[in-house]
Amino acid sequence: NAGVTQTPKFQVLKTGQSMTLQCAQDMNHEYMSWYRQDPGMGLRLIHYSVGAGITDQGEVPNGYNVSRSTTEDFPLRLLSAAPSQTSVYFCASSYYPPRQGRDQPQHFGDGTRLSIL
Amino acid sequence: KQEVTQIPAALSVPEGENLVLNCSFTDSAIYNLQWFRQDPGKGLTSLLLIQSSQREQTSGRLNASLDKSSGRSTLYIAASQPGDSATYLCAVAGGTSYGKLTFGQGTILTVHP
Repeated sequence: NAGVTQTPKFQVLKTGQSMTLQCAQDMNHEYMSWYRQDPGMGLRLIHYSVGAGITDQGEVPNGYNVSRSTTEDFPLRLLSAAPSQTSVYFCASSYYPPRQGRDQPQHFGDGTRLSIL
Repeated sequence: KQEVTQIPAALSVPEGENLVLNCSFTDSAIYNLQWFRQDPGKGLTSLLLIQSSQREQTSGRLNASLDKSSGRSTLYIAASQPGDSATYLCAVAGGTSYGKLTFGQGTILTVHP
């Protein structure tokens, strides 16, 4: 049982390049989300999905795209990388949305450390 | 807009001490509150989740309390160990129909032998 797997772990891009951060989970979780973690800013929600085919914007969605074609995968696309997108990106999943926490906490991947020059 | 504040930002204690980490939030209309642990270079691991209708949750040496009306939560760690050294974050779920998580900036805990 791998949990939440993020690839790559590290990436360096040049301004203007595009790339996709991969996130996969094997727990049959319906709810998946992407966060960025910046010093002094904490974790901020970028996009989230409540199931295959359903996505919505979070707090800081500009410059990012997502899609959810399967339950397992939730890739995050940077359309045209900017230095302000240098950050650590975390993918998280849970069976229920955060509102229905019950005893189903959020499971996080180990993150992708992204630097944009 | 929900804001979550954690105090102190950093804490260094000798092994064996009991300690308290604090989390406050500005909007009491929350669904639940979670405490997470983050080790350097790693993702977040959920420690405890408290529903809005609950007052506290316990797991081993950890006890988390919630006072929703005053917008406060505390994480109590008993008999601290060097292995407890990590960043501790609290997050509240609220604000949208699905419950957006708003995180505090964390408390960096160092337990020295």
